[in-house]
Amino acid sequence: AQSVTQLGSHVSVSEGALVLLRCNYSSSVPPYLFWYVQYPNQGLQLLLKYTTGATLVKGINGFEAEFKKSETSFHLTKPSAHMSDAAEYFCAVSDESKGGKLIFGQGTELSVKP
Amino acid sequence: KAGVTQTPRYLIKTRGQQVTLSCSPISGHRSVSWYQQTPGQGLQFLFEYFSETQRNKGNFPGRFSGRQFSNSRSEMNVSTLELGDSALYLCASSSNSPSTDTQYFGPGTRLTVL
Repeated sequence: AQSVTQLGSHVSVSEGALVLLRCNYSSSVPPYLFWYVQYPNQGLQLLLKYTTGATLVKGINGFEAEFKKSETSFHLTKPSAHMSDAAEYFCAVSDESKGGKLIFGQGTELSVKP
Repeated sequence: KAGVTQTPRYLIKTRGQQVTLSCSPISGHRSVSWYQQTPGQGLQFLFEYFSETQRNKGNFPGRFSGRQFSNSRSEMNVSTLELGDSALYLCASSSNSPSTDTQYFGPGTRLTVL
C-alpha cells in the first residue's frame, strides 16, 4: 500500500528565507507525486506534479520539488518566501492499484514572518 | 474555462438527517472524485465516478453514496448524519484518469452536524 509522510505539521520561516517542506512516500510501483496548496476556506490548488521524466519539477509561484527515488522523497522548496505563501501544503501520491485515488499526507502549515 | 463548482458552500444539519452535496466538474472532464477533510483524519478519499459509473471507492460506510449524471455533474449523499460527519467535502475533476491527469479541486462544502 502506498503512503505519504510529511515531516513537520508546522513550519515557520522569515520572509525572503528558503522554504523547505519535506515529504517521504512509500510505494511499490513508480509513483506519481503531487504537491497541493490550500488557502483558508478554499479548496486545493495543484502546485506541481511528478509523473515520469525529469526529476526536478518546477511548479507555480516559484516552487519546485525534486523526486529522489533512492531516498523515497519529494521535498518542496522555494528559494525566497513571500507573505502570500502562508498556507497549508499537502503532498500526495497517486495509488495506481486503487484506480488512481490520491493519498495525502497530513499537511504542513507554513507561516511566513515579516 | 470555469473551474470546479460545489454547492452549497456551507451547510448545517442535525444528527439523523440526510444531506446531498453537488459538484459540477470542469467542462469536458469525465472523472469526478470526492474527498472528506477533517482535522483529525486529514484528506480521505470517498469515491470516484467516471461516465456515470462508480469506478473506485474508499473505506467509508454505506451511509455515504454518490452518483454521476450524463453531463458529468456529481452528487454525494450522506444519510443518517453523525456528529463525526462534520467536515469539508471536496470534489475534484480530471479529464479521464485521476492518477495521471491533474485533479482540479472545487472550494468544498463545509458540513456541520449538530
